[in-house]
Amino acid sequence: QSVLTQPPSASGTPGQRVTISCSGSRSNIGSKSVNWYQHLPGTAPKLLIYSNNQWPSGVPARFAGSKSGTSASLAISGLQSEDEADYYCAAWDDSLNGWVFGGGTKLTVL
Amino acid sequence: QVQLVQSGAEVKKPGASVKVSCEASGYTFTSYGISWVRQAPGQGLEWMGWISAYNGYTKYAQKFQVRVTMTTDTSKSTAYMELRSLRSDDTAVYYCARGSGSYSEFDYWGQGTLVTVSS
Repeated sequence: QSVLTQPPSASGTPGQRVTISCSGSRSNIGSKSVNWYQHLPGTAPKLLIYSNNQWPSGVPARFAGSKSGTSASLAISGLQSEDEADYYCAAWDDSLNGWVFGGGTKLTVL
Repeated sequence: QVQLVQSGAEVKKPGASVKVSCEASGYTFTSYGISWVRQAPGQGLEWMGWISAYNGYTKYAQKFQVRVTMTTDTSKSTAYMELRSLRSDDTAVYYCARGSGSYSEFDYWGQGTLVTVSS
């Protein structure tokens, strides 16, 4: 059971906008920033969003992160077939004194 | 460009130990730390701990505190993760990932090392 809660799956058609949620608590999302990772099975995970809503170099702006209270979300606009992957949220947890992840959301582009 | 290259797949028996390496290039090794994250089959990502390549300071996840040791060899720009007393549920892909501090995001990841624990 993951500390952060994500929906197991999400889907959309090319060009659509999809949102993936991530729910936590005061000891993690409520007091720390959230990062998002994109993971294609068999490859290295990739940092997609850091510090709630910042883009690493090379990540397109159609990936957008936000946070409110103890929840965060990742919005992907202009969905493309290559966006089909697993997406994980992560935050530092002060109670556990370590990083915690969501269980991951498998995004399917129909 | 920043690269983290990990050692190859391992097969171990229950009770044994495994040591995975992560060789860094493309940046000043001692200016960052390395976290280790694993993914068991069909499961999500799990953080194991972090080591500073500057001074060797470590921060381990409570779950692995007793069984894991993370080290670095700055002369080789390489980080190591040793996990002892292996069990079948330690079967997973183990990743190293760069982070400037223990609270920092993981901005580059290694390709992963599959460790299989089986009798």
